[in-house]
Amino acid sequence: QKEVEQDPGPLSVPEGAIVSLNCTYSNSAFQYFMWYRQYSRKGPELLMYTYSSGNKEDGRFTAQVDKSSKYISLFIRDSQPSDSATYLCAIDNAGNMLTFGGGTRLMVKP
Amino acid sequence: IAGITQAPTSQILAAGRRMTLRCTQDMRHNAMYWYRQDLGLGLRLIHYSNTAGTTGKGEVPDGYSVSRANTDDFPLTLASAVPSQTSVYFCASSDRTSGNNEQFFGPGTRLTVL
Repeated sequence: QKEVEQDPGPLSVPEGAIVSLNCTYSNSAFQYFMWYRQYSRKGPELLMYTYSSGNKEDGRFTAQVDKSSKYISLFIRDSQPSDSATYLCAIDNAGNMLTFGGGTRLMVKP
Repeated sequence: IAGITQAPTSQILAAGRRMTLRCTQDMRHNAMYWYRQDLGLGLRLIHYSNTAGTTGKGEVPDGYSVSRANTDDFPLTLASAVPSQTSVYFCASSDRTSGNNEQFFGPGTRLTVL
C-alpha cells in the first residue's frame, strides 16, 4: 500500500460545479498537509497548507483534514475552466521528505 | 523575482553520456530538493540538501549525485545516463527555518535518454 493514495481521475465537471478532491494516507506520524496545483508542462505550485484537523479556506478553495480517518480533501467552489489542472496532495512527517500522492487530473468544461 | 530556474528546459541524451541538470534559486532558502515525475508514480525525491555543504538521499537516489557548494545552486548529475532515467525533473526549495516544509518548485527539465 502506498503511503499516500489519490484517485488519478480524470475528473470532468461543468463550469460552476463544486469539486471535491481527496487523498488518504497511512502514516499517523504525518503532521503537515499541502495541496499543489500543476498545469500541463509546468512545475507544481502550492495552493494550500495546513497542519491541523479541520478546515482552512482561501477564496474558492477549502482544505479539510481529518486526522482520525487519515483523510484530506480539497474543495473548489464555483469551478472555472482555469482550474483545469492536476492536483497533488503532499504530506510531511516533519522530516526531510514530502510524500506526494499521484495527482488527480481535473477538467472543468465551459 | 525569478524564484527557481532550471536548465535546460529539455534535453535528449544518448545512453552512457554524462549530464548535469542545473537549478538556481534566489529566495535564500536553506533547503533544496530534486524530484523526478513519472506517469503513474507521481513525484519521487531523488536527493535533498538541508543547508549548503550537506546533502542526503531521497527515495530514488541511485544513478544520481548532487552537490551544494552554496545556498543558491543545487546541480543534479547523471554520471552515465540510462533509458530508465527518462523523466521530468523538478528542483524545489523551502525555508526550513520557518518550521514548515512548504516547497516551491521550478519549471522542470524534460529529459529523454535514448
